[in-house]
Amino acid sequence: NAGVTQTPKFQVLKTGQSMTLQCAQDMNHEYMSWYRQDPGMGLRLIHYSVGAGITDQGEVPNGYNVSRSTTEDFPLRLLSAAPSQTSVYFCASSYLTSGSGYNEQFFGPGTRLTVL
Amino acid sequence: KNQVEQSPQSLIILEGKNCTLQCNYTVSPFSNLRWYKQDTGRGPVSLTIMTFSENTKSNGRYTATLDADTKQSSLHITASQLSDSASYICVVIRRGGNNRKLIWGLGTSLAVNP
Repeated sequence: NAGVTQTPKFQVLKTGQSMTLQCAQDMNHEYMSWYRQDPGMGLRLIHYSVGAGITDQGEVPNGYNVSRSTTEDFPLRLLSAAPSQTSVYFCASSYLTSGSGYNEQFFGPGTRLTVL
Repeated sequence: KNQVEQSPQSLIILEGKNCTLQCNYTVSPFSNLRWYKQDTGRGPVSLTIMTFSENTKSNGRYTATLDADTKQSSLHITASQLSDSASYICVVIRRGGNNRKLIWGLGTSLAVNP
């Protein structure tokens, strides 16, 4: 199993440009999510999905779109990049439970994005 | 307010020594608590998951404790190795919200020197 894969590893954008961060998992996990990690702040949830065709907003969704057409893939789109979106982005996946949320999350290696 | 606070912010120890990292939380209602290890430039990797009824859980040289009454957890690393150099993040999950209700701490940065 490759686990959770993310591409690209590094990206530099100019303000106003758009791009898509790719995320894929081969563990047949229902739950997938995107986080951003910034210095001095804990990981923050951007968007998540509990299955194909179902997405929802997390803590900091503005400026980002997601879709989930398949169980395996969960791309994150930056519509018009801003310097405030400079961050490290992590995709994660897990089996889905209701209630205790006991399932372990598996994280990808991250995408380091710089917006000039 | 739901918060997770970790201490110390950073720590330097010599290879072979033991260390203990602390996590205090005010998250309610509580479901479970997790410790993650994050190597530089990598994603977090789960070390332990502890529920309300578990006081201690070990994963090799890592031992986590949980006191649900005082809302404190610790991660003890025994006989540290250079590969233990990483950020250790405490995460508390609120009951009823599965993985979308994680409250993340800022982490403790550990450096193990030879």
